[in-house]
Amino acid sequence: DTAVSQTPKYLVTQMGNDKSIKCEQNLGHDTMYWYKQDSKKFLKIMFSYNNKELIINETVPNRFSPKSPDKAHLNLHINSLELGDSAVYFCASSRLDRGNEQYFGPGTRLTVT
Amino acid sequence: AQTVTQSQPEMSVQEAETVTLSCTYDTSESDYYLFWYKQPPSRQMILVIRQEAYKQQNATENRFSVNFQKAAKSFSLKISDSQLGDAAMYFCAHLRGSSNTGKLIFGQGTTLQVKP
Repeated sequence: DTAVSQTPKYLVTQMGNDKSIKCEQNLGHDTMYWYKQDSKKFLKIMFSYNNKELIINETVPNRFSPKSPDKAHLNLHINSLELGDSAVYFCASSRLDRGNEQYFGPGTRLTVT
Repeated sequence: AQTVTQSQPEMSVQEAETVTLSCTYDTSESDYYLFWYKQPPSRQMILVIRQEAYKQQNATENRFSVNFQKAAKSFSLKISDSQLGDAAMYFCAHLRGSSNTGKLIFGQGTTLQVKP
């Protein structure tokens, strides 16, 4: 009965590779997010989708491409991975009503070597 | 632009004692929400408490309470009767009330150590 799930939890890959992280929520929320937590534990939003439409696209390299096939899924594809992409990536979801809390997935630790 | 500042990178508390984590924020708006999230070593982000800016009453959740000072733009978290399981990184976060994007702005985090 996991609310927000992400796969994989750990990802180790080499520079230049392309990888994807998948996210699914079973909470019936209409909005999903991708956050990046860097090595200093700072959390910053990358993307947000509402009903499959992109509503936030922060200053993120275009090597990062989110895709939302339906309201319950938001995947993150990263092309040409770089050392600086190493981080923990969190998926989250919420209802976009006023002030609703966001529920986070367990995170994916990406290590680029 | 909204900013959130947590000036205490690390704090420690003795088990069963009380500790307060500080958070200040900057916003030009009067309608917003504030949150405290906990991130234990498992790295799961867990909501601890939520405050609506238009409510003067401070939010409480069991041993967790906030001191919300709107004029001072301060939102501190008080943990009473600290337990070993409270050891974690704590993040303060801000959300615009008029937000149609759900964009949460996080502070830098405070690592809380609980000593037995």
